[in-house]
Amino acid sequence: DTAVSQTPKYLVTQMGNDKSIKCEQNLGHDTMYWYKQDSKKFLKIMFSYNNKELIINETVPNRFSPKSPDKAHLNLHINSLELGDSAVYFCASSLDREDQPQHFGDGTRLSIL
Amino acid sequence: SQQGEEDPQALSIQEGENATMNCSYKTSINNLQWYRQNSGRGLVHLILIRSNEREKHSGRLRVTLDTSKKSSSLLITASRAADTASYFCAIPNSGYSTLTFGKGTMLLVSP
Repeated sequence: DTAVSQTPKYLVTQMGNDKSIKCEQNLGHDTMYWYKQDSKKFLKIMFSYNNKELIINETVPNRFSPKSPDKAHLNLHINSLELGDSAVYFCASSLDREDQPQHFGDGTRLSIL
Repeated sequence: SQQGEEDPQALSIQEGENATMNCSYKTSINNLQWYRQNSGRGLVHLILIRSNEREKHSGRLRVTLDTSKKSSSLLITASRAADTASYFCAIPNSGYSTLTFGKGTMLLVSP
């Protein structure tokens, strides 16, 4: 009965490859997010999706693209992976209000060789 | 930038002691949230304090908010080894449900 689940937990791949990370939430939330956490634990918002529409797109490279097949899923596709993409990526969800807590998955640790 | 800045960056205490972490921010806010992150896990929401509240309690947690100083503090009383984690404050981005997180305070509680 995991609230926000993301797969895989670990992803090791080579530069130039294309990869995807999946995220699902069973909380009935209408907004989902992707965050990137670097080696210094700094957490940066990448994308936010509300009811299948992108509402915030921070200045991330266009190699990153979120895909939402339905309200409960928000997948992250990354093309042409670079060394600097190595990080932990977190999916989260909440109701679409600024006073609502966000619920996080346990992260996907992406390592680029 | 709305980013909160936590202080200290790292804190090491003994079990039973209190731990205080501070967060400063730059612009007006309607609320502020605190999260905990255990090693290798996602962030967990701890508490939300609104701009019209000065203090809020949840179990062993006490959060204060001083909007005039643009600062908040998180106090964990009678700490336990299980409280070892990183703690983040989060500021809402005006008009959106997205949050900007601070850089966190790493708390180590030794038995």
